Order: sequence, then structure tokens, then C-alpha cells
Amino acid sequence: SAVISQKPSRDICQRGTSLTIQCQVDSQVTMMFWYRQQPGQSLTLIATANQGSEATYESGFVIDKFPISRPNLTFSTLTVSNMSPEDSSIYLCSVVISAHEQFFGPGTRLTVL
Amino acid sequence: SQKIEQNSEALNIQEGKTATLTCNYTNYSPAYLQWYRQDPGRGPVFLLLIRENEKEKRKERLKVTFDTTLKQSLFHITASQPADSATYLCALGSYSSASKIIFGSGTRLSIRP
Repeated sequence: SAVISQKPSRDICQRGTSLTIQCQVDSQVTMMFWYRQQPGQSLTLIATANQGSEATYESGFVIDKFPISRPNLTFSTLTVSNMSPEDSSIYLCSVVISAHEQFFGPGTRLTVL
Repeated sequence: SQKIEQNSEALNIQEGKTATLTCNYTNYSPAYLQWYRQDPGRGPVFLLLIRENEKEKRKERLKVTFDTTLKQSLFHITASQPADSATYLCALGSYSSASKIIFGSGTRLSIRP
């Protein structure tokens, strides 16, 4: 199993600013994932964060808007840049340890005014 | 495009009864299907994984079936308890890429005493 923490747990931000979300795992993992979950909606994969290489972004998500860092095997950050109210959502990081079982962090609830 | 549908937005069940949740999918041939539980303000928690060559899997009071012909999975909670109240998500994945897990929007289950 894996224990994942995220910071901040929630934030209220002004339009046009940026927020960096941190994700810390208690064990070394190869891949970390960032998801977005809008109210009442499903989880949507933003990108896969690989240690030592560029993140892989899903269709509809770009690096300029969601830059990701992965400095080591236990940590990653996701930045939501130039925010607008449409970015209000819950952002979750996750890891796969074995047998395709995903462990999720508690999420960061972002509100953009 | 790939689509996952989970039955009804909310399901209300009397304590002690069996809750049955449905997950249907189209335009996809998953190698495995997963079920997660999500409580308000928390990240999803992995419950069960069933592979394409498996018909049924059980874990304590949980039972999952997988019919690749019907493109459907059923998730059963027997002897339901108020503590089982949560949103349940199904997710589809392939072995080719651990990141390509597609989530349904979830079914909110309420167990009344």
C-alpha cells in the first residue's frame, strides 16, 4: 500500500494567479498521476509524472497551463497557472504500487474567484 | 469515444439489504475493471479488481461480476450498513498502460437504518 499526502488541502485563489499543489508518497514509485475531479463529475487524468523525464499530458491538458515537476521518486508538484473560475475543482495525485491498484491522495479543493 | 455509465445518480437502500450498482461501458475492451469507494472530501479508495477472464470476484461482503459480452459489471454489497454509504466509482484499464484508467462518474449510495 501507499500513504499519500497533498498540500494544500484547499485554497481559494484569485483569477489570474497560480497555485502549486504538492504530493508526497511514503515509498518510491515510478509513476505518479494527477487527476482533476469537478463537482459531481468523474476523475479526469491530467498527466503522468515520470521521474527524470517530461510529464505526459492527456488530450486537453497542456504543460503551459499545468506544469508538473517530479524531482525524485516520492514527490511531485502540479501548478495550475493563470487560473480562471473554470479551474475550480478537486485535484488528486495517485500512484500505482502493484497489480494496477491505484492509491489516491486526499485531494486539493481549489476555488477560483 | 469510450464511455462509462454508472446507474442512477443516487441509490437508497434499507440497511441489511443487498445494494447492486451497475457499470456499463462502450467502445472499449478493458483488460480489467476496478471499483473504488469515495467519501466526501476524500480521494477514492481501491476496493476490487476483476480481470477480463474472470466472471466473479468476492471480498468479504463485496461481490463483483464482469460480463465482457454485455460490457457490464455489477457491484454488490450484501448485508448493507449505514457505514457503506459513499460514492462508488468503476474504472476500466488496460495492461498496455497503467495510466490509461478511465473512471465512471460514480453512483452515490445511501444506506438508511
